Amino acid sequence: QLVESGGGLVKTGESLRLSCEASGFAFNKFTMIWVRQAPGKGLEWVSSISSGSTYMYYADSLRGRFTVSRDNAKSVMFLEMHSLRAEDTAIYFCARRLLSDYGVITRGFDPWGQGTLVTVSS
Amino acid sequence: QSALTQPASVSGSPGQSITISCTGTSSDVGAHNYVSWYQQHTGKAPKVVIYDVTYRPSGVSNRFSGSRSGNTASLTISGLQAEDEADYYCCSYTTSSTYVFGSGTKVTVL
Repeated sequence: QLVESGGGLVKTGESLRLSCEASGFAFNKFTMIWVRQAPGKGLEWVSSISSGSTYMYYADSLRGRFTVSRDNAKSVMFLEMHSLRAEDTAIYFCARRLLSDYGVITRGFDPWGQGTLVTVSS
Repeated sequence: QSALTQPASVSGSPGQSITISCTGTSSDVGAHNYVSWYQQHTGKAPKVVIYDVTYRPSGVSNRFSGSRSGNTASLTISGLQAEDEADYYCCSYTTSSTYVFGSGTKVTVL
């Protein structure tokens, strides 16, 4: 199970930190991702972090404003968001790479959290 | 990182089959066997229905199937049912070790 938190209403230029708490699986063995969905729009991949935090990747559109991290001891992933803009307004989902029936960690994503809403307003 | 191209909408009658296309480039869809498809009902989190182009997770109906030809992946839903009405998104791993989603397709059951 994945549960996001930390969303809310912030002003343009402010910062926010989202959390994704995991339970029920070996968190330290899975790459995790953040995906966002602006109101009425499609899904947008935001960031990925490998199981041991060795590799972190970001969408080009974020231009260094977001930082992903994780604490495997606490089974939590974070997304630090800075210099927030109106276009960052979205529901932010976290998700885990899918474990197949054959025990292979695939490049599909499941499960997903329920999402946390970030609203950036001037 | 432009979004993969999907038709905005596809519709079909109950019992029919529909196919949703997902067109990318040789740097994403055409580069790996790592295309997945997600079903999203209004107000809900996405749910994977196909992963690694053709594989179906346990618990997903065998009415869902996936394929790929070159830079275009496809999701076929056979025996269309009312519960299939939702938004569908493809997603591909890229040669830059990032991911890119499709623009999304609204499926309507007539």
